[in-house]
Amino acid sequence: KQEVTQIPAALSVPEGENLVLNCSFTDSAIYNLQWFRQDPGKGLTSLLLIQSSQREQTSGRLNASLDKSSGRSTLYIAASQPGDSATYLCAVRDGSGYSTLTFGKGTMLLVSP
Amino acid sequence: EAGVTQFPSHSVIEKGQTVTLRCDPISGHDNLYWYRRVMGKEIKFLLHFVKESKQDESGMPNNRFLAERTGGTYSTLKVQPAELEDSGVYFCASSHFTSGQLPYNEQFFGPGTRLTVL
Repeated sequence: KQEVTQIPAALSVPEGENLVLNCSFTDSAIYNLQWFRQDPGKGLTSLLLIQSSQREQTSGRLNASLDKSSGRSTLYIAASQPGDSATYLCAVRDGSGYSTLTFGKGTMLLVSP
Repeated sequence: EAGVTQFPSHSVIEKGQTVTLRCDPISGHDNLYWYRRVMGKEIKFLLHFVKESKQDESGMPNNRFLAERTGGTYSTLKVQPAELEDSGVYFCASSHFTSGQLPYNEQFFGPGTRLTVL
């Protein structure tokens, strides 16, 4: 059974810092991995999706890497801003392609001005 | 283009009552998913429709939960009778079905319905 763990559970940083959020999964036979952002009272916004054959994806100040063999992914946020404050969720789809997403509990990020 | 919408945004009911949640996926998306997050836990999968057919309902907690997707458009999730442990946020997501190499791609989520059972 796939399990996804996110570390840290919460993170507070001053504006401008570069930061890394970590995600690990127990079964390396994944189909893809997706990073989401959730704002309070809102739904999930997809940030980046990495297919199992890819090593990383970039979107603006965000960069997500995937090391499938070690069961790890990182989300790197450059030059953090107060607007980045949210909960960041990591989710994996297992290798069968037919299964759905298994989520971690998320990392709650607070970027202070 | 409208995103995934869910109704209601909040629902407060008493134990034993019935509640029906609705999800309207992005137009043209054949895949529709229901997820749930209870307090302190991670988001967990409930079930998956491909058009009007249930592809996977392995995450449904018990037979008090009934999901339908008549006509392959919107979906409803009925809880009858509701219990205290059913409280949580119910998310719906949709994705486009494509044949070939990437049959199940990026999922787009709705804002969720917060259900409170008293």
